[in-house]
Amino acid sequence: AQSVAQPEDQVNVAEGNPLTVKCTYSVSGNPYLFWYVQYPNRGLQFLLKYITGDNLVKGSYGFEAEFNKSQTSFHLKKPSALVSDSALYFCVVLEGSGNTGKLIFGQGTTLQVKP
Amino acid sequence: DSGVTQTPKHLITATGQRVTLRCSPRSGDLSVYWYQQSLDQGLQFLIQYYNGEERAKGNILERFSAQQFPDLHSELNLSSLELGDSALYFCASSPPGLRETQYFGPGTRLLVL
Repeated sequence: AQSVAQPEDQVNVAEGNPLTVKCTYSVSGNPYLFWYVQYPNRGLQFLLKYITGDNLVKGSYGFEAEFNKSQTSFHLKKPSALVSDSALYFCVVLEGSGNTGKLIFGQGTTLQVKP
Repeated sequence: DSGVTQTPKHLITATGQRVTLRCSPRSGDLSVYWYQQSLDQGLQFLIQYYNGEERAKGNILERFSAQQFPDLHSELNLSSLELGDSALYFCASSPPGLRETQYFGPGTRLLVL
């Protein structure tokens, strides 16, 4: 079975500093990996995905993620954090084939950006 | 706005009761997925329907059932409710052939008292 792990429950960053939210994955075959964000009292928003191609994936709101096959990691990064980036971030892997699409979520990492 | 709608937004009920959550997918999307977000279990996949047929099943309790209707809207039925069923229930939909692109609705927050 596919799985993802987010080793940090919370990440604290000062505004303007770079941020990294870590994720490692365990999959058979080629992974389909995603990052989603959940703002307080709101639904889930898609940030970016890696399916194939360039290991550096760019997404919404200035976020990017680096796929590293040798380290089985897919860390989320942003060069300069904003207070408005404070939210709950999920690393996600897709399981299934054909028309089957089961998203497996990590436990989530709360990002706190302080002014 | 993802284009996926869910009703109701909030639901408060008592243990032992039965509720129905409704989801309307984006226009043209054939797949509907249900997810549950709780403090204990995190965010987990429950079930997927594709064009009216069940396609995948996750950790969905036997007390829970779902269906997708000919107009492609879906309902999640939760029965014999327990306190632990209190959670945020999300519905998502995806376009044909793009199972990796799931658009999430705003969720239904269920509180069982």
